[in-house]
Amino acid sequence: AQSVTQLDSHVSVSEGTPVLLRCNYSSSYSPSLFWYVQHPNKGLQLLLKYTSAATLVKGINGFEAEFKKSETSFHLTKPSAHMSDAAEYFCVVRAAYSGAGSYQLTFGKGTKLSVIP
Amino acid sequence: EAQVTQNPRYLITVTGKKLTVTCSQNMNHEYMSWYRQDPGLGLRQIYYSMNVEVTDKGDVPEGYKVSRKEKRNFPLILESPSPNQTSLYFCASSLPREGTQYFGPGTRLTVL
Repeated sequence: AQSVTQLDSHVSVSEGTPVLLRCNYSSSYSPSLFWYVQHPNKGLQLLLKYTSAATLVKGINGFEAEFKKSETSFHLTKPSAHMSDAAEYFCVVRAAYSGAGSYQLTFGKGTKLSVIP
Repeated sequence: EAQVTQNPRYLITVTGKKLTVTCSQNMNHEYMSWYRQDPGLGLRQIYYSMNVEVTDKGDVPEGYKVSRKEKRNFPLILESPSPNQTSLYFCASSLPREGTQYFGPGTRLTVL
């Protein structure tokens, strides 16, 4: 069984300040972890993914996330927020095993990021 | 261009009137899936398909049907829609082991 908890439903930052979106996961197997972004009235776009290579993962648009197994966390960060970063962000876990349901993703409930000018 | 397409993008219907939402991908992906997105609940999986003629239930399958007769298409069928199926629906596809799922643009369904 696997689960994802996004610790904040809404985060508000000023433009130019750092962004931190928090995600904790649980998984019975070595997980793959993803962050997706959804802009208003749009589909989901992959920001970055962790699949057991480097623990610090760099994604698009200056975002990065660090996999910390001891803390079961995969927080998303960006040094300086831009207005265009305002969107909803989803942390996603997939168990890395080859069983019948191994391609299933479990989504967090989302964190809405607001960027104040 | 590699993409997942869904039709229609918006649909308003009435209780009990059968409807189908189509999903098609041009990436030759084996794995396809349907999700519904509701405020505060994130995305929940309805059905998924590992390959042609192979489908299985996700977390919230009640009231939905799917079929996978061709690799590229994975329609979602609501035989008798009810108001609690009002939601935003996403189709997604991926290669079996690659993990990254590619999402369609979404279908906003309202059942009156």
